[in-house]
Amino acid sequence: GQQLNQSPQSMFIQEGEDVSMNCTSSSIFNTWLWYKQDPGEGPVLLIALYKAGELTSNGRLTAQFGITRKDSFLNISASIPSDVGIYFCAGRAGGTSYGKLTFGQGTILTVHP
Amino acid sequence: DVKVTQSSRYLVKRTGEKVFLECVQDMDHENMFWYRQDPGLGLRLIYFSYDVKMKEKGDIPEGYSVSREKKERFSLILESASTNQTSMYLCASSSSGSGHEQFFGPGTRLTVL
Repeated sequence: GQQLNQSPQSMFIQEGEDVSMNCTSSSIFNTWLWYKQDPGEGPVLLIALYKAGELTSNGRLTAQFGITRKDSFLNISASIPSDVGIYFCAGRAGGTSYGKLTFGQGTILTVHP
Repeated sequence: DVKVTQSSRYLVKRTGEKVFLECVQDMDHENMFWYRQDPGLGLRLIYFSYDVKMKEKGDIPEGYSVSREKKERFSLILESASTNQTSMYLCASSSSGSGHEQFFGPGTRLTVL
């Protein structure tokens, strides 16, 4: 199955730093989603984007739906230790049957106090 | 609050055993999904269901089957467990009437000895 290209694969940052990650696709998507997964848990939805160019915030998190509809970005400002986890992007293509999503391989975030 | 539950958080089985993983959602969602998650491979779709008794193969259906007798419940069956099916199994559900955001359960970590 198709996979999204998510980068970086991992990040090691100091508490207080800002974080950026992105996903790119060779196909156009109608929906972009960003999830966070804590160790040993299931992914939790952070932000959902539905329109090209859309910029949405959730607390210290901001995500954007790329103008080309082939990419999306997630930024985390002023990181804290509880931001540690794996961040996944997911996209849904138009006409996709029954809401199937394509997932990126994840960005592993480590925050040093 | 949306709720997806999985029958076990941890499971240890022997090679050749028949294994049942249960997933229940309380959101009246039409769509339900089973994924497996392995390090470096991201989330891979095994099967999904868009209605009671309806199912479609995902990207890696071999060695698995599913059952959806009631709308809220989606079961994943390993007919004869093998060691290469040791993995984290994640269930998710989504509504066809919304943006198709998928909501995940906590996961079942299955070890096949």
